[in-house]
Amino acid sequence: DQQVKQNSPSLSVQEGRISILNCDYTNSMFDYFLWYKKYPAEGPTFLISISSIKDKNEDGRFTVFLNKSAKHLSLHIVPSQPGDSAVYFCAAIHTSGTYKYIFGTGTRLKVLA
Amino acid sequence: DSGVTQTPKHLITATGQRVTLRCSPRSGDLSVYWYQQSLDQGLQFLIQYYNGEERAKGNILERFSAQQFPDLHSELNLSSLELGDSALYFCASSTWDRGTEAFFGQGTRLTVV
Repeated sequence: DQQVKQNSPSLSVQEGRISILNCDYTNSMFDYFLWYKKYPAEGPTFLISISSIKDKNEDGRFTVFLNKSAKHLSLHIVPSQPGDSAVYFCAAIHTSGTYKYIFGTGTRLKVLA
Repeated sequence: DSGVTQTPKHLITATGQRVTLRCSPRSGDLSVYWYQQSLDQGLQFLIQYYNGEERAKGNILERFSAQQFPDLHSELNLSSLELGDSALYFCASSTWDRGTEAFFGQGTRLTVV
């Protein structure tokens, strides 16, 4: 049972344009969401997070949007840079539960120069 | 550098053998997580420990076991290895009760031949 889904395995975007990565979840108990970036041969690195009490969180070029009613979150990267090319994972936690991080399958972003 | 150390980085072993993967969490982090990533797939949650006790179990095979020691380092033991166990194994740590994001190690690439 895939509780966190990233339905787009890959995405290509021109440098300078906006990248939008999407994530859907099924468990309504999730109350904290995170995005991680992963380069080949490295571990995932934390990017940005959002609590379920918010609908938007910004950090520089990265903004995460949360739509609880739709059980959907998205990561916007503006402007996209070639160095952003990586695999992006969304993750969800139920902070009142065991606090285990459930990850999606990832989206490979390629930013074209 | 995430502060999470995994050893070894690479491991090649034969089917039927047993291996131990080691993880040292970030200083102060009480919670350790193990994840498996096969063939560019998502991060599959295996098991979580908090301050020496098992907190949550995911899709961990019976041939696999883990423990967290008093000094908070953790070991993942994989036995009766099969070709399909070849994967990247990641360890992550967090403060759990206060922290939000988990920090990942560089991973151990296990190849079963």
